[in-house]
Amino acid sequence: DGGITQSPKYLFRKEGQNVTLSCEQNLNHDAMYWYRQDPGQGLRLIYYSQIVNDFQKGDIAEGYSVSREKKESFPLTVTSAQKNPTAFYLCASSIVSGINYGYTFGSGTRLTVV
Amino acid sequence: AQSVTQLDSQVPVFEEAPVELRCNYSSSVSVYLFWYVQYPNQGLQLLLKYLSGSTLVKGINGFEAEFNKSQTSFHLRKPSVHISDTAEYFCAVSGSFDNYGQNFVFGPGTRLSVLP
Repeated sequence: DGGITQSPKYLFRKEGQNVTLSCEQNLNHDAMYWYRQDPGQGLRLIYYSQIVNDFQKGDIAEGYSVSREKKESFPLTVTSAQKNPTAFYLCASSIVSGINYGYTFGSGTRLTVV
Repeated sequence: AQSVTQLDSQVPVFEEAPVELRCNYSSSVSVYLFWYVQYPNQGLQLLLKYLSGSTLVKGINGFEAEFNKSQTSFHLRKPSVHISDTAEYFCAVSGSFDNYGQNFVFGPGTRLSVLP
């Protein structure tokens, strides 16, 4: 079955450490997205990419970095510059057309700073 | 710019009762409207979407929503809820893709609690 796979499901980070969250899709979608979810704040966009080797900052990109070397993969690195990284991270993908048919989401990664 | 308002942050309801989750949006262009559901520690799952055509949209799990352009609303309804419907529900609005990518805007979410 086609879908989006996020790994790991749970991740613990020490202070000052960089960590990378994986996102892989086999839906042949062109666009991919990273969202951060905090309790009571809904979803906030971190980065998105419409094509390989190109990506754009979202609303809260500071302290995060991404790459898009393959159509199927869009990893997110949470750097030590992100002062409050504890959150639930969601990856999504979509086709790119004149009509927005909606996003397909992965099952998320919960990141905790220890 | 587009925005989405979900007036109720929490909605408690008894099992087998009807429920309505409210969503209002603002946009200066034609929109596409969505409802997503999120169960604890999981991703978002698409419930239903309005792209064009009939303003009454039916989705999965017995949910439906009605697009009202004059009131800029897209309320979600279910005639009889089950315990398993307990989850967070997100309304979202989007226009067409443009050269700058997506413009998908999510509401803050409504937590539906179904009580026995």
